[in-house]
Amino acid sequence: QKEVEQNSGPLSVPEGAIASLNCTYSDRGSQSFFWYRQYSGKSPELIMFIYSNGDKEDGRFTAQLNKASQYVSLLIRDSQPSDSATYLCAVNRGGNQFYFGTGTSLTVIP
Amino acid sequence: GAVVSQHPSWVICKSGTSVKIECRSLDFQATTMFWYRQFPKQSLMLMATSNEGSKATYEQGVEKDKFLINHASLTLSTLTVTSAHPEDSSFYICSARAVRGHTFGSGTRLTVV
Repeated sequence: QKEVEQNSGPLSVPEGAIASLNCTYSDRGSQSFFWYRQYSGKSPELIMFIYSNGDKEDGRFTAQLNKASQYVSLLIRDSQPSDSATYLCAVNRGGNQFYFGTGTSLTVIP
Repeated sequence: GAVVSQHPSWVICKSGTSVKIECRSLDFQATTMFWYRQFPKQSLMLMATSNEGSKATYEQGVEKDKFLINHASLTLSTLTVTSAHPEDSSFYICSARAVRGHTFGSGTRLTVV
């Protein structure tokens, strides 16, 4: 079983719609959760992090964490073509090492 | 915010030569640096974890004699690809643990011809 699993997609949504990205993790003791965005040929950049159950909002982005069900999601409201990228979920179990999912490719269609 | 500077951003080298990639933490001390490799349309693959002043820990299947990692100071870690071959062509990215998540370097596109 992989540490972190994501639907590889590709996920396509029309401009202005809500894009929903999901991630599950295997270690119930995981402590912190991160979403990164990676444009083609570029390195990942942090979008959001979440530690506590519930929702965390930052602009058009909302991270949702459910530790009981071991999943974390990222919602992108009012999706823009510039949001088209690969989104990586990362989980930290404590310590320095992070575990990354394989990423979900998102395409926002104008 | 925490910044990791990675150089070079791209390099083309001949098969059999060695290439060194540097990552520097500019405004924080990175006691641990992670090195990743990413092939086209694939996810990040952790190669090794380097700790300042000690030997790096390599992931299974990664040749430590081929990918030499040095982390001699709290702000600098280097990855040397020795005797590079075309199959080593990839996107190499370093990252360090910052206050909020990992901070990634800008990546190095290595092409071995």
